[in-house]
This record gives sequence, structure tokens and C-alpha cells, in this order.
Amino acid sequence: GEEVAQTPKHLVRGEGQKAKLYCAPIKGHSYVFWYQQVLKNEFKFLISFQNENVFDETGMPKERFSAKCLPNSPCSLEIQATKLEDSAVYFCASGPPGRPHEQYFGPGTRLTVT
Amino acid sequence: AQSVAQPEDQVNVAEGNPLTVKCTYSVSGNPYLFWYVQYPNRGLQFLLKYITGDNLVKGSYGFEAEFNKSQTSFHLKKPSALVSDSALYFCAVTWTPGGYNKLIFGAGTRLAVHP
Repeated sequence: GEEVAQTPKHLVRGEGQKAKLYCAPIKGHSYVFWYQQVLKNEFKFLISFQNENVFDETGMPKERFSAKCLPNSPCSLEIQATKLEDSAVYFCASGPPGRPHEQYFGPGTRLTVT
Repeated sequence: AQSVAQPEDQVNVAEGNPLTVKCTYSVSGNPYLFWYVQYPNRGLQFLLKYITGDNLVKGSYGFEAEFNKSQTSFHLKKPSALVSDSALYFCAVTWTPGGYNKLIFGAGTRLAVHP
């Protein structure tokens, strides 16, 4: 598609439950990035992919967060055993081949952990 | 550590007046600089970027920004503000080599344009 699509728009989970978020990048884009925006508008980089390969995972809290980008499927970000501090808006962005710094953002998924 | 600073939480401007939203950065390599705008409950919309070349870059909706290497700044400007420009503005940077294209964002500046 012409836009980055993210589902669901909103997700509510009880503390300790699993949360799974999805991102469909713009058609033809080979880079996918995940960012977390917390309450004070602060953005934090989580992970990036080049096609199905992890490109940079330096921002991922590895013990509970995992992500995948498989061929012919939306990318996913999964949080096992959610905590209250995971409440945030999660943005996915995609970038074209050769110009991964040109990042086009999706509308975000708002995760609320209660 | 790599960082972006937006020193103003909020900027207030009268409609029709020029506006400036400030951004300074600190990176270890060559910076790639970006401005994004966020409207309530929406994603980030790209406004403009500096990669290389002319220090003055022009972007969407009449916005422009000037890259100043000596001052490590990339301030966003518009000659005549509109009420519809009211939104949250983010400056972001990645760098080469070593940035791997991940964006580091400033804390955001809320722009309020009054009629």
C-alpha cells in the first residue's frame, strides 16, 4: 500500500498478559523501524529490520520484547508479560531501499496496560 | 551520547507572524536531520530533511529549516504562521557512520498559533 498500516489502533491488556502489534510497511520498502512514544512524548527506538533480517536491535528490552518481519506477512512486535510501564504508543515506520533514513510513519498502536 | 535538544516546550505565535522552532543536536558522525509534525492522535508527518548540500532546505506546507554546522543547529522556520500549523513538532537526527538509520528525537515543541 501507499501508507504504513498498523493494527490494532488500540490494545488494552492486564499486567502480565501478552500483547502483539502488527505493521504492514509501504509496498516496496525494505526497512522497518519500531519506536515507542511514552506519555511525555519521548520517542525511543526499539528495533529495525532490513527485509526479514534484524538490522539494529539496540533499543529492545530483550527479556520481554520480540519482533519479526517474515516474507509476505505483516511485521510484528510482541510483548510477553506486559508491565504498566509498557503503556505507550508504538509506531512503525518503513523506509525505501537505499534510503532507509527516509522513514514514513504509521498511525501508531496505543497500548494500555492496566 | 547522541542527542537532540528542543529547548522550548511551547512556542506561541500570532497568525501571520514568522515562527521559529529551535533544535540543536549532538552526534558523533555526519548528521542527517529531520523535522516531523504530529497532530493529536495521529502519527508523525514528515516535513523536511537535511542530508547534504544547501544548508537551507524547504519542505511541506511552507516550512523551511537551516542547517548550521558550527552551531549544530537545525531550526524550523515559516515566514507567516497559520492557525492550522498548531501542532507538536519533533526534530530528529540519525548519523553516519554508525547510526544505522535509527532516529533520535527531541522532546517535541508545541506550537500554538493564535488568531
